[in-house]
Amino acid sequence: SQQGEEDPQALSIQEGENATMNCSYKTSINNLQWYRQNSGRGLVHLILIRSNEREKHSGRLRVTLDTSKKSSSLLITASRAADTASYFCATDANHGTASKLTFGTGTRLQVTL
Amino acid sequence: NAGVMQNPRHLVRRRGQEARLRCSPMKGHSHVYWYRQLPEEGLKFMVYLQKENIIDESGMPKERFSAEFPKEGPSILRIQQVVRGDSAAYFCASSLGQGTDTQYFGPGTRLTVL
Repeated sequence: SQQGEEDPQALSIQEGENATMNCSYKTSINNLQWYRQNSGRGLVHLILIRSNEREKHSGRLRVTLDTSKKSSSLLITASRAADTASYFCATDANHGTASKLTFGTGTRLQVTL
Repeated sequence: NAGVMQNPRHLVRRRGQEARLRCSPMKGHSHVYWYRQLPEEGLKFMVYLQKENIIDESGMPKERFSAEFPKEGPSILRIQQVVRGDSAAYFCASSLGQGTDTQYFGPGTRLTVL
């Protein structure tokens, strides 16, 4: 399996509910980032959490990072129909010079009215 | 403050033709990254460039693919003699520096090879 795998692969909830997505990775990292991608569109950066941070908030988003378990979670509170998208975690291992991101396969979130 | 720009947004090529994808990074950004996304999959790193230098091309296929980021002008991802398997969305990202800087993505170029 690859670095950065999201769980679940697909999630369907009703508007107003909370959505939780998880990401696991294999190697040590410098930071982990979450992105959103609407169907057929580019990626929108949501939040970056560094390896020495445990939790971060941005609006309705809450991200946690557990480096001992090599996992992260993204919580979207009070979801809206507009939150319907695919969500990807991406890790930055930065072993030297490059900062290539390694993406997971994503969680497809469907928020219904 | 324009974001990362990519063109064309959609590109259709026949097998054997060449595809040229362009990426203009955000203003002030000197680090450019190219990623490829196959349908229903996550993005896969291809290459990381700074002005006039290829820093990491570990994700680039050995043949037919090349990338450049000249001193002036956009970064170019070039695919020669395209095959159907090259059909994908190609995303460019840029960052201010390296290391822990956020990468900002462009809207992508969707390449279809007939």
